[in-house]
Amino acid sequence: RKEVEQDPGPFNVPEGATVAFNCTYSNSASQSFFWYRQDCRKEPKLLMSVYSSGNEDGRFTAQLNRASQYISLLIRDSKLSDSATYLCVVNTGGFKTIFGAGTRLFVKA
Amino acid sequence: EAGVAQSPRYKIIEKRQSVAFWCNPISGHATLYWYQQILGQGPKLLIQFQNNGVVDDSQLPKDRFSAERLKGVDSTLKIQPAKLEDSAVYLCASRLGASAYNEQFFGPGTRLTVL
Repeated sequence: RKEVEQDPGPFNVPEGATVAFNCTYSNSASQSFFWYRQDCRKEPKLLMSVYSSGNEDGRFTAQLNRASQYISLLIRDSKLSDSATYLCVVNTGGFKTIFGAGTRLFVKA
Repeated sequence: EAGVAQSPRYKIIEKRQSVAFWCNPISGHATLYWYQQILGQGPKLLIQFQNNGVVDDSQLPKDRFSAERLKGVDSTLKIQPAKLEDSAVYLCASRLGASAYNEQFFGPGTRLTVL
């Protein structure tokens, strides 16, 4: 089993749709969690951190479920500009960072 | 504030040749990472430095890959000799401190093609 697993993509959705991605992790001692966004042929950039209480940033909502060891990302009212690969990132302690394989999202007009 | 700098941006070499990549992290960032990202996959950590010390190099193929960060600032990653399967984007990232809660900032990457 991979240490971090993401929903296989791609997700193809129309503009205005709501889409959700899940990510599971295997190490129960994992400390911090992030979603990064990576545009085609660009470097990853932080989208948002994921807190135990859940957090929201505009149209984006991230949730953490420690009991089931998964995190989620919800995008509401999808825009064409949301088309990208979304990477789940898990830190197991201060020194080990693991990226998921990424989920590709295509938002079409 | 200047971001993470990497060079070269692109490199094409033949198998069995050597290649080196350079990274200059954001000023003041103590933690530096090198990742390998193969097309269609997420970044895979090769090595992590805290200042000039290696924290994690468990996934670095040490028979052909080496990295150093001598003065705790910029870093080089070398492949010698290269194999076809080394074709990938090599990403450098830096983080302010060792805390797992700090964001990593990535450079633009070096796209390596091994023929």
